[in-house]
Amino acid sequence: NAGVTQTPKFRILKIGQSMTLQCAQDMNHNYMYWYRQDPGMGLKLIYYSVGAGITDKGEVPNGYNVSRSTTEDFPLRLELAAPSQTSVYFCASSYSNPGGTGELFFGEGSRLTVL
Amino acid sequence: QKEVEQNSGPLSVPEGAIASLNCTYSDRGSQSFFWYRQYSGKSPELIMSIYSNGDKEDGRFTAQLNKASQYVSLLIRDSQPSDSATYLCAVDNTDKLIFGTGTRLQVFP
Repeated sequence: NAGVTQTPKFRILKIGQSMTLQCAQDMNHNYMYWYRQDPGMGLKLIYYSVGAGITDKGEVPNGYNVSRSTTEDFPLRLELAAPSQTSVYFCASSYSNPGGTGELFFGEGSRLTVL
Repeated sequence: QKEVEQNSGPLSVPEGAIASLNCTYSDRGSQSFFWYRQYSGKSPELIMSIYSNGDKEDGRFTAQLNKASQYVSLLIRDSQPSDSATYLCAVDNTDKLIFGTGTRLQVFP
């Protein structure tokens, strides 16, 4: 069982380039999340989705876009990359509202550097 | 903006001691509270959850909740070097979890 799979694991971008971070889960989870984690810091929520076709902004959505066309996939799009977007990005999923069990299943993370 | 605050540390304790990690939150409407552990370079993993005032024990871990003071804590008894990690407090907020900045714990032999 693969769980939550993120690709790529590492990427270096030049300022102004765009890219998509891929996230897929095979657990039939309805809820999916993108967080970013800057060095020595906690997790900041970028965007989340409670089901296919539904997305909503989190704490730090500027400079990012998402889509949720299927239950399995939740890609994160970075437009016009900036050095401030250098971070580790985590995708996570949950079968139901995480306020219940609190258990988010995390991917291994994608380390992005913008130069 | 709903906030969750933690002392970033590092908190250094000797092996065998009790480590005490604290967290405060701003949203009085929050009902569920969680502690995640994150080893360096790894993903966070859930270690404790607490929903009502008081203490909840699980092995060497005890979570404490005081909703009136908007305060959550995690106690680790008999700390081991393998407990060295960053501990993230998380609070529910309508379909999502808001995380604190994390406290880095170092347990030295």
